[in-house]
Order: sequence, then C-alpha cells, then structure tokens
Amino acid sequence: AQKITQTQPGMFVQEKEAVTLDCTYDTSDPSYGLFWYKQPSSGEMIFLIYQGSYDQQNATEGRYSLNFQKARKSANLVISASQLGDSAMYFCAMMREHNTDKLIFGTGTRLQVFP
Amino acid sequence: KAGVTQTPRYLIKTRGQQVTLSCSPISGHRSVSWYQQTPGQGLQFLFEYFSETQRNKGNFPGRFSGRQFSNSRSEMNVSTLELGDSALYLCASSPLEGADTQYFGPGTRLTVL
Repeated sequence: AQKITQTQPGMFVQEKEAVTLDCTYDTSDPSYGLFWYKQPSSGEMIFLIYQGSYDQQNATEGRYSLNFQKARKSANLVISASQLGDSAMYFCAMMREHNTDKLIFGTGTRLQVFP
Repeated sequence: KAGVTQTPRYLIKTRGQQVTLSCSPISGHRSVSWYQQTPGQGLQFLFEYFSETQRNKGNFPGRFSGRQFSNSRSEMNVSTLELGDSALYLCASSPLEGADTQYFGPGTRLTVL
C-alpha cells in the first residue's frame, strides 16, 4: 500500500535561513508523482511543487526545491530564505500517475518562522 | 483565471440532517476530487470525478456521495450527519487525471452539533 511519512510534527526556523522538511514515501508503483502543499491557518491548500518519479532533475519553484532521492524514497522540501509568511502546515502527498487524481497525504509538518 | 471556489465556506448542521457542498473548478479543468480533513484522521480522499463519472472512491460510508455536472462543477452530499463528520472539506481540480498539478479550493468547514 502507498504511504507518506512526515516525521517532523513541528519545525522552527529563523527568518532568512533555509529549512528542510522531511518526507519519505512507500510505493511499489514505478510511476508516481510527489507534491508539496502549504496550508496556512485559513485552511486553503496551496500547491508548491511537483516531482515526477521519472524526472531526472530535482524540481524547483522559486524559493522551494524538492530534494528527490528515489533510491531512498525521500522527497524533502527545502525552503530557502525563510519568510514570516512561510509559517504554516506543510503536507507531502503522492499520486499514482495513471487514471487517478487520488492524493495520499502525510500527517504534515508545522513550520514556524521567527524573526 | 479564477481559482477553485467552494460554497458555502462555513456550515453548521445538527445530527441527522443532510448537507450539500459545492465546488467550481478552475475554468477548463475537468477533474474534481474531494477530501476530508480532520485533526484525528488527517487528509483523506473521498472521491474523484472526471467527465461526470466517478473514477475513484475512498473508504467512506455510503452516506457520502457526489456528482459532477457537464460544466465540471461538482457537489458532494452527506446524509444523516454524525458528529464525526465535522471537518474541513476540500475540493481540488486538475485539467486531466494524473496531471502534475492539483489546485485546491478554500474548503468548506462543516460543524455538526
């Protein structure tokens, strides 16, 4: 069965510093997609970044990058130059890339950025 | 382009009642998925619709149902509400199934008293 594990319930980082949020996954499917979402206190899930299982390069989107290590089944999110507005819950999710939009989510990591 | 919209944003119901939640996907998106988020169970997949057909269903009782219209708008219905149905219900849309982007709406927060 597919599973996403986020072992860090909470993380603290100082403004302007970089932070890594951990995510490991378990699947026997050869083709899958990995996502990171941010959920502020308002509740809306904000799409951050996507990595396909066959992508050779690590995905990057502005200050977000995904450290994809396929052999270790990890997909860590790196946020560079943290900002106060980055304080939120962060969810890692996985989807099989065939005929389904079903996302399986991890339990999330609460990131708090302090001045 | 307007994002995913969900109505209503907040809802209070009592046990035994039924509720209908609405989701309008991003223009041009044909796939709509629904998720339930609770503090205890986290984010759980409810169902997915593509071209008016339910393509996938999560492990929820039959009280939870949904449908999708020809304009891709989707509704989900929960009948005979229970206290445990109190949750944030999130809708997501994507252009195609298995796309590399799924965009979520702001959610409907349902409270069952």
